Amino acid sequence: ETGVTQSPTHLIKTRGQQVTLRCSSQSGHNTVSWYQQALGQGPQFIFQYYREEENGRGNFPPRFSGLQFPNYSSELNVNALELDDSALYLCASRVAGSDEQYFGPGTRLTVT
Amino acid sequence: QQQVKQSPQSLIVQKGGISIINCAYENTAFDYFPWYQQFPGKGPALLIAIRPDVSEKKEGRFTISFNKSAKQFSLHIMDSQPGDSATYFCAAKGDTGGFKTIFGAGTRLFVKA
Repeated sequence: ETGVTQSPTHLIKTRGQQVTLRCSSQSGHNTVSWYQQALGQGPQFIFQYYREEENGRGNFPPRFSGLQFPNYSSELNVNALELDDSALYLCASRVAGSDEQYFGPGTRLTVT
Repeated sequence: QQQVKQSPQSLIVQKGGISIINCAYENTAFDYFPWYQQFPGKGPALLIAIRPDVSEKKEGRFTISFNKSAKQFSLHIMDSQPGDSATYFCAAKGDTGGFKTIFGAGTRLFVKA
């Protein structure tokens, strides 16, 4: 196990609703990235947070937003959920300056 | 230009055999090439990684071969075991746009006992 934890494990939401997913980084890791993994696909980079600020973003609309807290835990918020948002959401943490990132187990989001 | 193309999509290997997974990239700005192993219901786990100034890296039964001129890299799993059955992802990371890591589509490996 990597020491990166995520909650909840599973979540079912209705189209149009909003969702918040949480991630606790591995001890000592000050940088967190979020990824979306659709079924049968590789993870897609959503964004990265360092020092509580977003400093890198993939091709995701603004309704995907995040927060990083002083203790390096973070949240992913998704507004106006769409059916295509159904996926496994992964967070990964690392120490700034290191390339090695470690993934949590993910949150499986189902939008109906 | 940001894509990482991975093949094959699936692979069946006999126990004790060699599993080979290939990846190709276009963006020469990529500077770090990791491989991840993912079991069902789990997040990807970092397996082994290489930088473009090295042509080969070996860790136990896992070896990355890197061909910078061809913009290709591959993972070799020697003496494949049933416990290696998982999905493997190659990835590439560049310096621009934050720590954006681009993943391949994955290879589902099944090792027959």
